[in-house]
Amino acid sequence: EPEVTQTPSHQVTQMGQEVILRCVPISNHLYFYWYRQILGQKVEFLVSFYNNEISEKSEIFDDQFSVERPDGSNFTLKIRSTKLEDSAMYFCASSEGPRTGDNSPLHFGNGTRLTVT
Amino acid sequence: DQQVKQNSPSLSVQEGRISILNCDYTNSMFDYFLWYKKYPAEGPTFLISISSIKDKNEDGRFTVFLNKSAKHLSLHIVPSQPGDSAVYFCAARAGGTSYGKLTFGQGTILTVHP
Repeated sequence: EPEVTQTPSHQVTQMGQEVILRCVPISNHLYFYWYRQILGQKVEFLVSFYNNEISEKSEIFDDQFSVERPDGSNFTLKIRSTKLEDSAMYFCASSEGPRTGDNSPLHFGNGTRLTVT
Repeated sequence: DQQVKQNSPSLSVQEGRISILNCDYTNSMFDYFLWYKKYPAEGPTFLISISSIKDKNEDGRFTVFLNKSAKHLSLHIVPSQPGDSAVYFCAARAGGTSYGKLTFGQGTILTVHP
C-alpha cells in the first residue's frame, strides 16, 4: 500500500538554527498537510497546501514557518529560526481531496521528531 | 482547545470482547469525523470515518456511531484482538474550513489482553 514517507526520523538542532523537514506524499494525492504533536499534547493542525499554495494555516504557523513543494514529489516544512518550544513530532499527511459522495481520509507519515536544544 | 474530547485516557479489554471508545465534541460546525489508530513511533493510521448525514458506518470489525444531538461519537471494535492495542484518536473537521484541517482529541490508549 502506498505510504507517506518522512525524513529524517529524528532531527536535533540548536535554538536559532533553520531546519527543513521533508516529506514524500502519496503520488496521486493532491492535498498536503503538516501537523505536529508536542509531547503529552494533542495532534495539532499547522497548514494545508493545495495547487502550490497554502489553503489554510493555524495560528501556530507564524512567519517562522514556511512550506514548499519544490518538485513533483517532495513537500517540505521549514522552520527559519527554531525555538525550544518547537520541539515536537511533526507529521506530514496527504489526501486525494473531496470525492463525490464521500471524503478521502488523510494518510499520515511516521513523523519527524524535532528536538531543539 | 477542548472542541474534541476523549474523556477516557485508557481502556483495557479482554481479547474477543467488545471495545468501545468514546468521543465528545462541542463545535456544531463539525460535519465529518474520523478515527485514527497510532502505534508507538508511527504516524496515525486511518481506521474509519463518518459524515454528519449518517449515524452509523461499519467496516469489518469497526463500527462508528454518531449521535449529533448529543455531540457524541463512539468506535466499537468487535471482536477485539491483541493487535488492536494502540492509541486511538478521534478527529473532526468543520464545514467551511480547509478540507484536511482536523481537530484531534487527546487519544485513548486501548490495551487488549490475550
